[in-house]
Amino acid sequence: GAGVSQSPSNKVTEKGKDVELRCDPISGHTALYWYRQRLGQGLEFLIYFQGNSAPDKSGLPSDRFSAERTGESVSTLTIQRTQQEDSAVYLCASSLYRGNYGYTFGSGTRLTVV
Amino acid sequence: QKEVEQNSGPLSVPEGAIASLNCTYSDRGSQSFFWYRQYSGKSPELIMSIYSNGDKEDGRFTAQLNKASQYVSLLIRDSQPSDSATYLCAVNSNSGYALNFGKGTSLLVTP
Repeated sequence: GAGVSQSPSNKVTEKGKDVELRCDPISGHTALYWYRQRLGQGLEFLIYFQGNSAPDKSGLPSDRFSAERTGESVSTLTIQRTQQEDSAVYLCASSLYRGNYGYTFGSGTRLTVV
Repeated sequence: QKEVEQNSGPLSVPEGAIASLNCTYSDRGSQSFFWYRQYSGKSPELIMSIYSNGDKEDGRFTAQLNKASQYVSLLIRDSQPSDSATYLCAVNSNSGYALNFGKGTSLLVTP
């Protein structure tokens, strides 16, 4: 597509529920990243996918977080048993290769856990 | 831990002035450097990239890189109120795969 597409744009969920966030990268971009941005804070790296290589999961804050991506297509970020501290904007970005040329970000999913 | 440090601001400059935003980084292996602009409630937007020492100009924006001092800066000439945003410095190294972002500097351009 023309840009990075994320859905839903907003999600309100009850504490303890599972949520799934979706990212559709720019066509041809082999690298895909998930970041989290809490209110008034910087970008926190979560996970990186590069083609069919094993993902870099070093930023995932707990085992409640997981992400998948098939090849160079759509990625889903799943948060199980959501907690209030999970409330944040979840940003997806894609790039041609390993971010060496910079990222293009999607518009984000604003997650609110009540 | 690879750190990217920025002054949080806010940095306030009058319309028409030069805004100077600074960033330092800790990883000497860093190779690629980026500036992103983030308006309130929006996602970051790439505005400049720089890969070698010196200056790189694009319109009203100039990025400056000094790898020996581990320092990168962004100058905005003829600042406009529409430049009011948070500016994020991001750094990539060959030893890692994801950009490390600073917390951003808030810029306010007053009419």
